[in-house]
Amino acid sequence: DTGVSQNPRHKITKRGQNVTFRCDPISEHNRLYWYRQTLGQGPEFLTYFQNEAQLEKSRLLSDRFSAERPKGSFSTLEIQRTEQGDSAMYLCASSLGGGTDSQAFFGQGTRLTVV
Amino acid sequence: AQKVTQAQTEISVVEKEDVTLDCVYETRDTTYYLFWYKQPPSGELVFLIRRNSFDEQNEISGRYSWNFQKSTSSFNFTITASQVVDSAVYFCALSENFGNEKLTFGTGTRLTIIP
Repeated sequence: DTGVSQNPRHKITKRGQNVTFRCDPISEHNRLYWYRQTLGQGPEFLTYFQNEAQLEKSRLLSDRFSAERPKGSFSTLEIQRTEQGDSAMYLCASSLGGGTDSQAFFGQGTRLTVV
Repeated sequence: AQKVTQAQTEISVVEKEDVTLDCVYETRDTTYYLFWYKQPPSGELVFLIRRNSFDEQNEISGRYSWNFQKSTSSFNFTITASQVVDSAVYFCALSENFGNEKLTFGTGTRLTIIP
């Protein structure tokens, strides 16, 4: 197992275009999280899934953002009609369970630049 | 609302010196978890430690040690005999949930170890 994988690693898009990112969690991890990190800031929680169910969404996740995890394995994060303010690093993490010993493993992120 | 404050934006020390990274948190919950993550230039967040609110014992792991003080709502991280490989951005984080699905991160401290 090679850890949490995110694709693409970098994405440059024009304002107004739609973009989609993919996250492949560690096998058998049932929880998957999305965070957004802007320059000089810590990651901010966006949403998380337990298996295929999206259990919580941050108010940061506007109507232009949608996340899915159709079969409880990989997840996609789509941003419609991108804006310059969407430029950030999008981080995915996964964990097994959520109990006292649970630990979130993070991917290397997808850096989005909106021009 | 929960909040994590890392007042030190950047720290530079000469190799082999000891360095302490400060973290102060705010939460209304009595049950919570505190974390430290390391973010090297590659961007991936590397888990360092998790501490629950009921365990105020300090912890040592090699050159790393953590000091948790509930009375001052602090969870400080010390690196002894620093090495160049310790250069990274370090984040303190808080989770009010049982587990770690929704982390609130501080803004991070950029640590530079000068050879």
